[in-house]
Amino acid sequence: QQQVKQSPQSLIVQKGGISIINCAYENTAFDYFPWYQQFPGKGPALLIAIRPDVSEKKEGRFTISFNKSAKQFSLHIMDSQPGDSATYFCAAKPRNQFYFGTGTSLTVIP
Amino acid sequence: GAGVSQSPSNKVTEKGKDVELRCDPISGHTALYWYRQSLGQGLEFLIYFQGNSAPDKSGLPSDRFSAERTGGSVSTLTIQRTQQEDSAVYLCAGQVNTEAFFGQGTRLTVV
Repeated sequence: QQQVKQSPQSLIVQKGGISIINCAYENTAFDYFPWYQQFPGKGPALLIAIRPDVSEKKEGRFTISFNKSAKQFSLHIMDSQPGDSATYFCAAKPRNQFYFGTGTSLTVIP
Repeated sequence: GAGVSQSPSNKVTEKGKDVELRCDPISGHTALYWYRQSLGQGLEFLIYFQGNSAPDKSGLPSDRFSAERTGGSVSTLTIQRTQQEDSAVYLCAGQVNTEAFFGQGTRLTVV
C-alpha cells in the first residue's frame, strides 16, 4: 500500500517555466514532509521540507505548498533551469519511519 | 552523502549466485533503510531498521532477500539465488532526526 502518492511520473518544462509536482497522503500521523532531489548516479538528497503547522515554505526558487485539510502538498520550482533536471521524491514521516513517493522525473528543456 | 557508504558500487553476478551488499552509516544514524530503484523508476521500500526494534521487512519482495544490521551500525542486504529481475540500484539511507542521508547505491546487474 503506497502511503504517499506522487504525480506526475514525468514532467517536461521549458526553461523559465514553473514545475509543479504533487503528493497526497492519508495518514494523519504524518508530521513532516520533505522533498528529495536525485541526480543520475547519485542517491537522493534533501531539498526542502515543511511541517504541517505552516501552509507554505519557500527557499530560493523552491516552494512547498501544504494543504492540511486536503492532505496534499506540492513542490513548485519557479524559473525552472536545465540544472533542475532530476528526479524528485516527496516523503512523509510520522514519529519514526519515512515513506517516499514513487518519484517524478523532471526534464527542463533549454 | 553525509556519511553513508555503500559497497560495492557496482556488482555483476551470474543468475543463481548469492550477493551481499553492504551499507556503512556513520554513528548517530538512528534508523537505516534499504530501497531498490529499477532503471528510471521510483524508490521501492525494502526494509527498515530502528534501534533495537524488530525490523520492518514488509517491503522485501521474496524470501530470497534478507538483511541484517549488526551492532546498530553496518547493514548487509543479501540476495540469494539472484534472478535477472533483481537487477537494480540498491540504495541505503541512514536517518538522523528528520533527515535521511542516502548512499550512492550499489548497481547490481544479474546476467
